[in-house]
Amino acid sequence: GAGVSQSPSNKVTEKGKDVELRCDPISGHTALYWYRQSLGQGLEFLIYFQGNSAPDKSGLPSDRFSAERTGGSVSTLTIQRTQQEDSAVYLCASSSSRNQETQYFGPGTRLLVL
Amino acid sequence: GDSVTQMEGPVTLSEEAFLTINCTYTATGYPSLFWYVQYPGEGLQLLLKATKADDKGSNKGFEATYRKETTSFHLEKGSVQVSDSAVYFCALPRTGNQFYFGTGTSLTVIP
Repeated sequence: GAGVSQSPSNKVTEKGKDVELRCDPISGHTALYWYRQSLGQGLEFLIYFQGNSAPDKSGLPSDRFSAERTGGSVSTLTIQRTQQEDSAVYLCASSSSRNQETQYFGPGTRLLVL
Repeated sequence: GDSVTQMEGPVTLSEEAFLTINCTYTATGYPSLFWYVQYPGEGLQLLLKATKADDKGSNKGFEATYRKETTSFHLEKGSVQVSDSAVYFCALPRTGNQFYFGTGTSLTVIP
């Protein structure tokens, strides 16, 4: 398939543990975004990668959150010392340089922190 | 700052009913406006967009008109189907091609 994929689809963890969420964007897409969708809330922007430029981290809610994108493709969102309020669906999206306004979303990772 | 405000849900309609989901925006200038849809168990996907004032975006029987005088981009469909059951998000680009998304409106269509 040619869509955005994310893994795992579901993750249950204990408070205080670290988690890593993975995103595989559409091949050739230069831009990659992470969003968070909390219950009853809209999508909250977290971080944005564009090519080899420095990422826009302005949406990260705390220094427990970090993300990297290796080789301009796969991205990993890491949450350290998870808290219950981190429970949400984490969505990844990508877009091409020719049509940056249209984002293609993955199915998300549903994170539950107990 | 820029933002979108979307009609609260959930919305429940009978099949073939008329649908309106309201969306208003606050923005500097005249950005493109978008509606995204999230079907159960799937990721968000672009439904339609309008790039300038008075443009009408349309797709799958849905329409939305970019109205700068009322700063609105309401989503409409004349006759909904069960398969339209989903969550609908109004969205406005921000810098770096990120988006401001509305809170989403859940639509359930019953046969």
